[in-house]
Amino acid sequence: AQKVTQAQTEISVVEKEDVTLDCVYETRDTTYYLFWYKQPPSGELVFLIRRNSFDEQNEISGRYSWNFQKSTSSFNFTITASQVVDSAVYFCALSEYIKAAGNKLTFGGGTRVLVKP
Amino acid sequence: ETGVTQTPRHLVMGMTNKKSLKCEQHLGHNAMYWYKQSAKKPLELMFVYNFKEQTENNSVPSRFSPECPNSSHLFLHLHTLQPEDSALYLCASSLRDENTDTQYFGPGTRLTVL
Repeated sequence: AQKVTQAQTEISVVEKEDVTLDCVYETRDTTYYLFWYKQPPSGELVFLIRRNSFDEQNEISGRYSWNFQKSTSSFNFTITASQVVDSAVYFCALSEYIKAAGNKLTFGGGTRVLVKP
Repeated sequence: ETGVTQTPRHLVMGMTNKKSLKCEQHLGHNAMYWYKQSAKKPLELMFVYNFKEQTENNSVPSRFSPECPNSSHLFLHLHTLQPEDSALYLCASSLRDENTDTQYFGPGTRLTVL
């Protein structure tokens, strides 16, 4: 069975500090996809990134960066120079492809990030 | 309207009421999903529809009844709910292909069962 662990339940930082969110996953699949979603107080899950298991290059998008390390089954997310608008719950997810049902996402428990001014 | 919309955004109902949640996607996707997000549990997948056919029912009680009349609309019919069913219900959609599909979520319906 697939499993995603986000060990940090809540992180509090002061604006402009960097914050790194940890994600560790378990899967027996050789091909899989990892995702990060942001859930602001409004409730909607906002897609941030998708990464496939064959692509271990790190990615940077503005103030966001992701570090995928297959050897340690981790897909960590860093917000650089955090802003108050980054305050949200962030979810890491792992997909399992099932032919009939498509991709099933297994979510971690989420990490709440609070950025104080 | 763009993306995935859900109505109503908030719903309060008694245990004997019948209500429906609606989800609509404007992304040209062919798969739709219902998730439940409770206060102290991870996001739980409830139902999956691909091309209007239900392909997943994740052991959901029969008091939740999904309906997918076309690939753009998804409903969740509710009847005789319990207080523990109070949660945020999220709808998502995706464009299925053979490798992967990214799910895009709506804003959710916050349900309170009294």
